[in-house]
Amino acid sequence: EAQVTQNPRYLITVTGKKLTVTCSQNMNHEYMSWYRQDPGLGLRQIYYSMNVEVTDKGDVPEGYKVSRKEKRNFPLILESPSPNQTSLYFCASGQGRNRELFFGEGSRLTVL
Amino acid sequence: EDKVVQSPLSLVVHEGDTVTLNCSYEVTNFRSLLWYKQEKKAPTFLFMLTSSGIEKKSGRLSSILDKKELFSILNITATQTGDSAVYLCAVVNNDMRFGAGTRLTVKP
Repeated sequence: EAQVTQNPRYLITVTGKKLTVTCSQNMNHEYMSWYRQDPGLGLRQIYYSMNVEVTDKGDVPEGYKVSRKEKRNFPLILESPSPNQTSLYFCASGQGRNRELFFGEGSRLTVL
Repeated sequence: EDKVVQSPLSLVVHEGDTVTLNCSYEVTNFRSLLWYKQEKKAPTFLFMLTSSGIEKKSGRLSSILDKKELFSILNITATQTGDSAVYLCAVVNNDMRFGAGTRLTVKP
């Protein structure tokens, strides 16, 4: 089954404790992206990757890192989480110029 | 600065009503506009529009793009409670930018 898988789905952590949210897709998509979703603000892009070893900042990259060592995986790293990073995070992948995106189920992160 | 604006932000209707959701945009190097439906979890794809004036249709949902006036509309006829969701518009240029969404609530 074609899918985008994120883990963990739910996480409560404390300020400053490094964490990684994994994302994996099995559709051989070149494009992958991370979004955060906050009430009233819609989906805001954090980072995206056009292909292996190619990553770029989105609209809200501060406090996040990513890597794209393999085509299928695109982890999101929070080196020192802060409460303002409490949010719902979505990973997505897509193919082609016009890029219909396939989304993961979301990861709800709470930073205390 | 690129922007995508959806209106209204929220809408409450009764079953059987017809609704029109709006998405206007200002972006450079426009490639396509996509509509997604988001219920409790991940957004799911509805339509992709690349050309003006060509209506895309799927059941009771339809959408059209106007590249001259820089907007798209999503129509839902004979609404049902299962149509209750947040509807997201996204515009693709060099990347993809989402609007804030329209929250549609359909009451029985």
